Amino acid sequence: QKEVEQNSGPLSVPEGAIASLNCTYSDRVSQSFFWYRQYSGKSPELIMSIYSNGDKEDGRFTAQLNKASQYVSLLIRDSQPSDSATYLCAVIPMDTGRRALTFGSGTRLQVQP
Amino acid sequence: KAGVTQTPRYLIKTRGQQVTLSCSPISGHRSVSWYQQTPGQGLQFLFEYFSETQRNKGNFPGRFSGRQFSNSRSEMNVSTLELGDSALYLCASSSEVRGQTYEQYFGPGTRLTVT
Repeated sequence: QKEVEQNSGPLSVPEGAIASLNCTYSDRVSQSFFWYRQYSGKSPELIMSIYSNGDKEDGRFTAQLNKASQYVSLLIRDSQPSDSATYLCAVIPMDTGRRALTFGSGTRLQVQP
Repeated sequence: KAGVTQTPRYLIKTRGQQVTLSCSPISGHRSVSWYQQTPGQGLQFLFEYFSETQRNKGNFPGRFSGRQFSNSRSEMNVSTLELGDSALYLCASSSEVRGQTYEQYFGPGTRLTVT
């Protein structure tokens, strides 16, 4: 079982819709969770970080964390064609003091105009 | 603030050669991590440096090494290059606010091609 799992997609949504991206992780002690956006040929860009159960909103983006279910999601409201990219979920376990991000394989999002 | 910078952006080497990649973190950031990204394996952690000391290491062979200087700039070295080392090498920096901040910001990467 992979440590961080994401559906590879592509996830196709129409412009203006809500895109929902999901991620599950296997390490119960994981405490820090991140969403990165990566455009083709570019490096990952940090969109959201979340450390506590519940929702965290930033503009059109909402991250949701459920540690009991080992599940983290990213909602993108009012999706735009410019949101078309690969979204990477990343996790850091807190207990070891490591700073190493463990990434999922990413979900490719396509927003149709 | 200027972002993370990496040099060179593109590199072509032949098998058996060695290569050194450079990374300058965001001003004030003392932690620098290196990652390898390939289509087959995705993004994988190489190592992390903090205050000139390697703090964490991923599962890569000893051909991969790094160091950090007193100004937090970091270099990574790959010796005896293999075809499978062709990848995008990414550097990320993070601050250490009371030891609690783990957000990592990536540079543009160095695209290494081994022929």
